[in-house]
Amino acid sequence: DVKVTQSSRYLVKRTGEKVFLECVQDMDHENMFWYRQDPGLGLRLIYFSYDVKMKEKGDIPEGYSVSREKKERFSLILESASTNQTSMYLCASSLREEQYFGPGTRLTVT
Amino acid sequence: RKEVEQDPGPFNVPEGATVAFNCTYSNSASQSFFWYRQDCRKEPKLLMSVYSSGNEDGRFTAQLNRASQYISLLIRDSKLSDSATYLCVVNYNAGNMLTFGGGTRLMVKP
Repeated sequence: DVKVTQSSRYLVKRTGEKVFLECVQDMDHENMFWYRQDPGLGLRLIYFSYDVKMKEKGDIPEGYSVSREKKERFSLILESASTNQTSMYLCASSLREEQYFGPGTRLTVT
Repeated sequence: RKEVEQDPGPFNVPEGATVAFNCTYSNSASQSFFWYRQDCRKEPKLLMSVYSSGNEDGRFTAQLNRASQYISLLIRDSKLSDSATYLCVVNYNAGNMLTFGGGTRLMVKP
């Protein structure tokens, strides 16, 4: 079974803080993704990566950056958290088209 | 206009009912199609792929109409455990990026 884990289920941060969300997959997948999910807007792609040290912008990259130093780990960074970044963050990995998701991190920025 | 559109519901149906969801997509060059299922406060998981010829998996039938650019999911003999949000997913570029619809919420009542 593919396992995708995320560092926290719930996180509360203050406006202006730097936030790190970590994602780890154990299936040697090339592709990893970060989404945010908001009511009425569905899943929106923030960034993705096809390989170590490679990253591509998704649909809503503003205010976020990513890091992929090892194949199994993909980190999402909020350089200066803002209240409009309060959301559910989902990480996924894939070998081909089927994506396997982690359990999500519910981030609240106050 | 959203790239992948779904009726958000909720669809409230009694156990044993047959229920159908549709999803429309805007890009006629779309390559492949899927239905994912997301339980409350859980991550999305692949339910089934959707093939041009239509496909069936037990009580679930998925169909694709390329001419009209819509995908359908039919659930027969609904169970309480079918209660979830069903996400319509499209791959536009034959790569590994997926575009998600906002989801249709199904509630099956006793």
